[in-house]
Amino acid sequence: GENVEQHPSTLSVQEGDSAVIKCTYSDSASNYFPWYKQELGKRPQLIIDIRSNVGEKKDQRIAVTLNKTAKHFSLHITETQPEDSAVYFCAANTGTASKLTFGTGTRLQVTL
Amino acid sequence: DAGVIQSPRHEVTEMGQEVTLRCKPISGHDYLFWYRQTMMRGLELLIYFNNNVPIDDSGMPEDRFSAKMPNASFSTLKIQPSEPRDSAVYFCASSLAYPKGRLAANTGELFFGEGSRLTVL
Repeated sequence: GENVEQHPSTLSVQEGDSAVIKCTYSDSASNYFPWYKQELGKRPQLIIDIRSNVGEKKDQRIAVTLNKTAKHFSLHITETQPEDSAVYFCAANTGTASKLTFGTGTRLQVTL
Repeated sequence: DAGVIQSPRHEVTEMGQEVTLRCKPISGHDYLFWYRQTMMRGLELLIYFNNNVPIDDSGMPEDRFSAKMPNASFSTLKIQPSEPRDSAVYFCASSLAYPKGRLAANTGELFFGEGSRLTVL
C-alpha cells in the first residue's frame, strides 16, 4: 500500500518568514496530493491540493509543488502569520482510488 | 449544509463496554471514511464506503471493530468490547468523487466531522 513520509515533525519560524514542509510517497500510481491543516482540538481541513497533471499550484500565501519523478511534494507558506500555527498533514491517494494515506504531521509554530 | 455530523463528541467508558459512534455525511456525497487519530499513529484510515458499500476495511484493527452504512445518510462504527488502547479521536469524513459523474472515480476533497473523542478506562 501507499506509504507517506513527512518532514519535519516540528517547525518553528518567525512571523513573516517562510515555512516549507516536505513529503514523499511510495505509490507511483498516486495522482492526488492534498494538504490539511488541523488547529488544536479541531478537525482537519483542506487548505490546498494538487493533482498529478500539474507541477505547482498557488493560493495566495500557500503553494504546493509536485515532483512525480522523485515522488515528493512540498507545501510552501510565505509571510507566515501567528494564525498559521497548527499541525499540517500531507496525504496521497492509493492509485486512482479515493483512499487517502496521511503523513505523520508537522507542527508549525509561528512566533512573534 | 451542516457538514459532516458526528456523535457523541465525547465518550468515556469502561473497558469491556460496547461503544457506538455515529456519523451523518454531507448530503449527496458518495464516499464515507472512518479515521482514527492518536499521537502515536497519526491519522489512520479504518474503513471506507462508496455508495453505502464497504470498499476497504484493511485498516480495521481487530474483529472488535465493525462499521456499517445502512443508508446514504448514516454510518456507525462499533467497538465491542472496548479496550484502553482504543482511546483516540475518531473522525468520520465524506467526499464526492472527482470529477462528479465521471465513470473513473477519482479522489475529491475530504470533509471531516468534528470527531468523537473516546476514552476507555
